[in-house]
Amino acid sequence: DTEVTQTPKHLVMGMTNKKSLKCEQHMGHRAMYWYKQKAKKPPELMFVYSYEKLSINESVPSRFSPECPNSSLLNLHLHALQPEDSALYLCASSQGAGEAWSGFFGPGTRLTVL
Amino acid sequence: DAKTTQPTSMDCAEGRAANLPCNHSTISGNEYVYWYRQIHSQGPQYIIHGLKNNETNEMASLIITEDRKSSTLILPHATLRDTAVYYCIVRVAGNNDMRFGAGTRLTVKP
Repeated sequence: DTEVTQTPKHLVMGMTNKKSLKCEQHMGHRAMYWYKQKAKKPPELMFVYSYEKLSINESVPSRFSPECPNSSLLNLHLHALQPEDSALYLCASSQGAGEAWSGFFGPGTRLTVL
Repeated sequence: DAKTTQPTSMDCAEGRAANLPCNHSTISGNEYVYWYRQIHSQGPQYIIHGLKNNETNEMASLIITEDRKSSTLILPHATLRDTAVYYCIVRVAGNNDMRFGAGTRLTVKP
């Protein structure tokens, strides 16, 4: 199994809603990532978990709250989002530290905030 | 500061080799060069990586100059399905800080 799955594929939410994005991998990877991608822009790094501990937080607003319950699962909890948060949210995983970072990306969740 | 510089866009004829350049003049000795591509609205896909030697796999070849200040990704026989944005990334081994630059939008034309 060499894939990263993300659910849901699409999400529409209001600014007062609370929702969560889910990412899962079963490759034994110990690093997992969240990226945000706006249209026609490159992916922007948001968070990195390494061995289930948050190792990078790119000064992301607190309305985005990551969680790594175990080494296979990564969540992104969303609350009080703004319309400008509408984007494609990508999850990735890798073997962790080391040269062979051939990271795998999921297909993304397309989020629309109304 | 951007670690890599790539052309904004390139065209290539179907069946011909696509050569995508990347400048990384400030690369450190322990930084690897990685290439990814992203087909429209999909997640990025790993292509190849290297440190100083040229590398080849089933998808592409990576040519790194001797001074390591630039590299070229070669798709030997481009097809329409290779139309995508190609990202060149430099990264320290042992570091999970994987960041994307602007990339090159490659269009393969019939």
